Amino acid sequence: QVQLQVSGPGLVKPSQTLSLTCTVSGDSMSRSFYYWSWIRQNPGKGLEWIGYISYSGTTYYNPSLNSRLNISIERSKDQFSLKLSSVTAADTAVYYCARSVTSADNCFAPWGQGTLVTVSS
Amino acid sequence: DIQMTQSPSSVSASVGDRVSITCRASQGISTWLAWYQQKPGKAPKLLIYAASSMQSGVPSRFSGSGSGTDFTLTISSLQPEDFGTYYCQQAVSFPFTFGPGTKVDIK
Repeated sequence: QVQLQVSGPGLVKPSQTLSLTCTVSGDSMSRSFYYWSWIRQNPGKGLEWIGYISYSGTTYYNPSLNSRLNISIERSKDQFSLKLSSVTAADTAVYYCARSVTSADNCFAPWGQGTLVTVSS
Repeated sequence: DIQMTQSPSSVSASVGDRVSITCRASQGISTWLAWYQQKPGKAPKLLIYAASSMQSGVPSRFSGSGSGTDFTLTISSLQPEDFGTYYCQQAVSFPFTFGPGTKVDIK
């Protein structure tokens, strides 16, 4: 059973870079042909897809975040990472990582547990 | 971006009731639609993908239908554990977008 675990700081200062890592267990990212996404949820609000990286390293980012965003993959460690630069209070959210349900469908299962990142000085 | 809307925004129903939630896309998305259930403090859980395909392990009282721009999630007989917020998501066009959610309460 595939499981995803998010890790990273829960507090980031304004203008700094938010960095999170998602560790995948129960399957090797090197053998699978899925898409690995980051999704966030502002407190009390809806869900926003941030971007994804494929097993081969192809990325697609939400244009609303594109200029500040970098998603990378480290297959040997079964991890993928998010870096969001120049953060503001508007980036305060619960951040989730998730896998595509199949190699051909861009909906998400399973999800990691999520981590609250607060942007504050 | 494709905009997703949902109705109603909230519903309160009794155990055993049939509950339907509607999702509408701002442009046609064929059947590239998913439904999720989210409980407080938890990650969303995929229920339905490809508009009507049930995710493994999801109770059969959940079903999805629709194509193009209009979709429906139906809970045939509401159970106490079905409380939470339900979201739809289009999976055809970047960036992938979610509906605003429908909160389901048990009376």
